[in-house]
Amino acid sequence: QSALTQPPSASGSPGQSVTISCTGTSSDVGGYNYVSWYQQHPGKAPKVMIYEVSKRPSGVPDRFSGSKSDNTASLTVSGLQAEDEADYYCCSYAGSNNVIFGGGTKLTVL
Amino acid sequence: QVQLQESGPGLVKPSGTLSLTCAVSGGSISSSNWWSWVRQPPGKELEWIGEIYHSGSTNYNPSLKSRVTISVDKSNNQFSLKLSSVTAADTAVYYCARVIPGAIYFDSWGQGTLVTVSS
Repeated sequence: QSALTQPPSASGSPGQSVTISCTGTSSDVGGYNYVSWYQQHPGKAPKVMIYEVSKRPSGVPDRFSGSKSDNTASLTVSGLQAEDEADYYCCSYAGSNNVIFGGGTKLTVL
Repeated sequence: QVQLQESGPGLVKPSGTLSLTCAVSGGSISSSNWWSWVRQPPGKELEWIGEIYHSGSTNYNPSLKSRVTISVDKSNNQFSLKLSSVTAADTAVYYCARVIPGAIYFDSWGQGTLVTVSS
């Protein structure tokens, strides 16, 4: 199966908001509410920021939010901070006990 | 707070078998979680390899299924990955992770271990 489609890069100035999209199909993103988002700093393991489309694990700032419309999920980071600069990956259940990731988006804080 | 730690050879010869173990601490591998392997080639995206439940039930990425075996060792609170017939394309950082049941996301990750396939 193909990876979910994310823009290679996104950027914003401190304090601004940025939205990263994740496009799949009706067999994955559009078919299930099991979309999660991961933040990965260089050389580090991924960290979950959003699960089940829009839920935040404890400890994740409420500046991070998630949503979904049809086959596209989105991650919005509001009030950008320098420490938000990282790679972000979406992930979706794809049916038949299978999981797929997106290609990743490099977020730059200008 | 559960912690995961990968271990295994950092270099594997082409056509050989990659073998890694993930030790789980701070929690029981017999809890109601699935346990997964995810890999990331240098500079590339994450790829789910597969998962195992403490009962031994497994699910694998269809693209890797013919070469992957994941097993569990409850007595040592760990699970393992074997990937056969490796090529340079299997060079990656390999992570083990815990899957939250019913919500299908990875909430705890190991630090990752780089495995290079080269002669």
